[in-house]
Amino acid sequence: DAMVIQNPRYQVTQFGKPVTLSCSQTLNHNVMYWYQQKSSQAPKLLFHYYDKDFNNEADTPDNFQSRRPNTSFCFLDIRSPGLGDAAMYLCATLRGGLAGAYNEQFFGPGTRLTVL
Amino acid sequence: DQQVKQNSPSLSVQEGRISILNCDYTNSMFDYFLWYKKYPAEGPTFLISISSIKDKNEDGRFTVFLNKSAKHLSLHIVPSQPGDSAVYFCAASANSGGYQKVTFGTGTKLQVIP
Repeated sequence: DAMVIQNPRYQVTQFGKPVTLSCSQTLNHNVMYWYQQKSSQAPKLLFHYYDKDFNNEADTPDNFQSRRPNTSFCFLDIRSPGLGDAAMYLCATLRGGLAGAYNEQFFGPGTRLTVL
Repeated sequence: DQQVKQNSPSLSVQEGRISILNCDYTNSMFDYFLWYKKYPAEGPTFLISISSIKDKNEDGRFTVFLNKSAKHLSLHIVPSQPGDSAVYFCAASANSGGYQKVTFGTGTKLQVIP
């Protein structure tokens, strides 16, 4: 089945130790998003790729970086995780199209990040 | 500034009755609205959507109503089933050059009691 896969599902890292979360998709969607979701809060958009074009949200900390080496894969790098970065990280894809066209997002299961 | 608000964090409904989940938004640029359903340990999955040019969209047991003047939408589930127990996220979207920026609410946890 076509899907969005996130690895690992659970990640534990130490304060200040770089960590990379990965997302892959078999949907061949051209848009990929990374969201951060903390308990009882709305998923918060960190950034997205439209094909190879990277778009950072204005309030995303510099500590968060992303790479998209090809259509299928997208990575979230946290350079120096702090205790406040502990959260669920959701990857989503979308088939972007012409202006005015709307589609739904497809989400992966998320990676739960713990910072010790 | 929470542009999409779900003021009820939880809702309990008897099986067979109607579930009504509410959502309010503040940004008049939103022109497409979606509901996602999330089970524990899974990512959100798309449930139903509505364009701002409509005021109702129905898909089986699920109906979404949009009141643009009030900036309010609601999801009706009739009849409610135990398998509907999940967290429901309201989302609003604005389109710019083929890119959809989606803003989510905080979610409402629905419990359907058998």
